[in-house]
Amino acid sequence: NAGVTQTPKFQVLKTGQSMTLQCAQDMNHNSMYWYRQDPGMGLRLIYYSASEGTTDKGEVPNGYNVSRLNKREFSLRLESAAPSQTSVYFCASNQGESGYGYTFGSGTRLTVV
Amino acid sequence: SQELEQSPQSLIVQEGKNLTINCTSSKTLYGLYWYKQKYGEGLIFLMMLQKGGEEKSHEKITAKLDEKKQQSSLHITASQPSHAGIYLCGASGWGNKLVFGAGTILRVKS
Repeated sequence: NAGVTQTPKFQVLKTGQSMTLQCAQDMNHNSMYWYRQDPGMGLRLIYYSASEGTTDKGEVPNGYNVSRLNKREFSLRLESAAPSQTSVYFCASNQGESGYGYTFGSGTRLTVV
Repeated sequence: SQELEQSPQSLIVQEGKNLTINCTSSKTLYGLYWYKQKYGEGLIFLMMLQKGGEEKSHEKITAKLDEKKQQSSLHITASQPSHAGIYLCGASGWGNKLVFGAGTILRVKS
């Protein structure tokens, strides 16, 4: 089925460990996004990529890096995980123009202990 | 996002009752999205509004964008347990990104 695929679905890390969250879309969308969701704060944008080869910081970029590997894939890396990064992470994509729908992945639930 | 304020933060209604969730923006809205999220799951797209005064309905859910394009409301008629979840409004057109309100948690009592 067409859509946005995120891996892994669940992850537990120890403080200081690193990991990469993977995201891939098969809708030929230009733009891709990484959000985190915390209780009472809705979704906050971490990084986004308006098109292949470009990335920009969102609202809460500190502690994260991203790579737009190609048009399909957009990964999020935590170099040294901290308990404050415990959250649910969502990847999304869209055509890149206002008015087009955004499609979300099913999320990655990350716990940093 | 501080640019989008949702109210109320949470809501408990008796099954069969109507309810309204509001989303107020500090800037002109060019594209307003409503999503629903069931606990522990991803976001489900409900509706998108772009024009001032626009109103869209899907089953028992109706969303409106006011004429001045700075507020949207989501109205559920005759609520059911299946309506329970988190409702999020999102806005696009402020740069190439989608920003969200904090969400409204809806519980429906049977």
